[in-house]
Amino acid sequence: GAVVSQHPSRVICKSGTSVKIECRSLDFQATTMFWYRQFPKQSLMLMATSNEGSKATYEQGVEKDKFLINHASLTLSTLTVTSAHPEDSSFYICSANTGGDSTDTQYFGPGTRLTVL
Amino acid sequence: EDQVTQSPEALRLQEGESSSLNCSYTVSGLRGLFWYRQDPGKGPEFLFTLYSAGEEKEKERLKATLTKKESFLHITAPKPEDSATYLCAVQAGNTDKLIFGTGTRLQVFP
Repeated sequence: GAVVSQHPSRVICKSGTSVKIECRSLDFQATTMFWYRQFPKQSLMLMATSNEGSKATYEQGVEKDKFLINHASLTLSTLTVTSAHPEDSSFYICSANTGGDSTDTQYFGPGTRLTVL
Repeated sequence: EDQVTQSPEALRLQEGESSSLNCSYTVSGLRGLFWYRQDPGKGPEFLFTLYSAGEEKEKERLKATLTKKESFLHITAPKPEDSATYLCAVQAGNTDKLIFGTGTRLQVFP
């Protein structure tokens, strides 16, 4: 199956600092990648959709200046949480769409636990 | 508005006790319905994609079915290692976005 990795798996930072999370598709090229956040015992909430070489499309209510997304290649997307605050603490998960066929299946990374002190 | 509802919210089963999880959906132009399994502190693991009413897919002790209004995930003779949260998601219209339900937390006891 398609494999997606994320780095780091967990990060603890001080309030006001910026944190970058990487999402890589290891064995396929992903024209589209997605970023989600998940609060404890809740489902996944889509934050943004990114396509290689173009600007990300953010969901309503997600601050694009706070959550910077870059999709520089077909195998790498990054999410930067700028000036992080305790309320940004959450589980961030990326996914990648294999595309190229009719399945449009999204494969998910293992997630990144962000804790802002 | 597109919506996905899963029930029950939580399910406790004895090992070997078969059961079903429900996913009801209301969407405009269903493109696909997806089932994922999520273990605590990990990302969702893909299980199945269903595209049209009447379609069924199986994998080990799991079987997913689809009608025009809902999908079922049947678990036959579950084992403790099947304990996880099972997520249902739909893809609709002209978008690749997934709309997730809130999940069913399954616990299987030996």
